[in-house]
Amino acid sequence: DTGVSQDPRHKITKRGQNVTFRCDPISEHNRLYWYRQTLGQGPEFLTYFQNEAQLEKSRLLSDRFSAERPKGSFSTLEIQRTEQGDSAMYLCASTDGGGGETQYFGPGTRLLVL
Amino acid sequence: AQKVTQAQTEISVVEKEDVTLDCVYETRDTTYYLFWYKQPPSGELVFLIRRNSFDEQNEISGRYSWNFQKSTSSFNFTITASQVVDSAVYFCALSGYNQGGKLIFGQGTELSVKP
Repeated sequence: DTGVSQDPRHKITKRGQNVTFRCDPISEHNRLYWYRQTLGQGPEFLTYFQNEAQLEKSRLLSDRFSAERPKGSFSTLEIQRTEQGDSAMYLCASTDGGGGETQYFGPGTRLLVL
Repeated sequence: AQKVTQAQTEISVVEKEDVTLDCVYETRDTTYYLFWYKQPPSGELVFLIRRNSFDEQNEISGRYSWNFQKSTSSFNFTITASQVVDSAVYFCALSGYNQGGKLIFGQGTELSVKP
């Protein structure tokens, strides 16, 4: 049973460019979560999907951010017109239950915006 | 509002010492879940334990033990006979039953175990 995978692991981009991250959850996990972690802080919730439906978005998720989970499998997180403040680790997690079930995390994508 | 506080930013111990990481939480939910995760330098969050609000039994798993006390809203984590491999950042997290399952994390405690 493979764990959660994320691609790429590292991304360096220039301010103003668009970037897209991918997350592949554990097979058959119905819920998928995105978090952002800045240096020295705990992860902060961004958004989550139940199957293909995006059920909640944090106010941290500005209009430049968009996430999708077509067909309820993998998910993508796109950031348009990146800013230096977007530099962070983007973490994906999945779970096979409803609220309160254990979330299993991927290795993260570390983004650096120059 | 939900909140998790890990007041200890950094802890340094010598190998074989016991160490306790503190976690205090706030929630208005009567049903909630508490978690501990370990984040080694590689960055991946590793699940350690999950507790629901109706189960106040302490738990022991090898050198790890957890003390859950609803009266003080605390969920502390103790490592007995620490080892160098325990060096990592440890996060306590909270999920309210009606909150969609999203985790609210504390700021983390960086544990350094020296040989």
